[in-house]
Amino acid sequence: EPEVTQTPSHQVTQMGQEVILRCVPISNHLYFYWYRQILGQKVEFLVSFYNNEISEKSEIFDDQFSVERPDGSNFTLKIRSTKLEDSAMYFCASRERTGNQPQHFGDGTRLSIL
Amino acid sequence: GQQLNQSPQSMFIQEGEDVSMNCTSSSIFNTWLWYKQDPGEGPVLLIALYKAGELTSNGRLTAQFGITRKDSFLNISASIPSDVGIYFCAGQGYTGNQFYFGTGTSLTVIP
Repeated sequence: EPEVTQTPSHQVTQMGQEVILRCVPISNHLYFYWYRQILGQKVEFLVSFYNNEISEKSEIFDDQFSVERPDGSNFTLKIRSTKLEDSAMYFCASRERTGNQPQHFGDGTRLSIL
Repeated sequence: GQQLNQSPQSMFIQEGEDVSMNCTSSSIFNTWLWYKQDPGEGPVLLIALYKAGELTSNGRLTAQFGITRKDSFLNISASIPSDVGIYFCAGQGYTGNQFYFGTGTSLTVIP
């Protein structure tokens, strides 16, 4: 069964550094998402992306965050200048289309900011 | 953002018992999803619901989309140790395409 894959599985970064988290959505999916989950808390929406542009974003997704689909397969989340509170699991999800279609999640990247 | 209240927060049950958990929202949704998350892994889709009143099963799991469109429940029958994990509901409203997640129900099954 097709899967959403994320790399790396764990990223350790110094505060203030830039980090790029990578995702390969399921190949025929058109909608892409990033979510964040702070340890022990619920999954929080960051951003959705369709047709090469952001379609929605939450208040968490400030100017430090950006997303890109640089080619036909990868979907990336960049954090420009990381803060301690950015430490969390970051999940990518994809969806074939809107309507009666679920989201499928990757296994996440654990981001640790030192 | 939307608030989804999920209950109970945690459950400790004996193997073989049935489990019931639910999710309520302050506004109506057009899609309800139920996920299970194991430690260190991403949410895995269990059941998707797209129509008010819909009742859907996946093995020992049954979920329903409430007729008010503001709630959903998940039942697990005859629980087994591998059911241990955190169960999340997620809902999508009629505008936008983001999903809002519940706070999770942590399930512990005692053999």
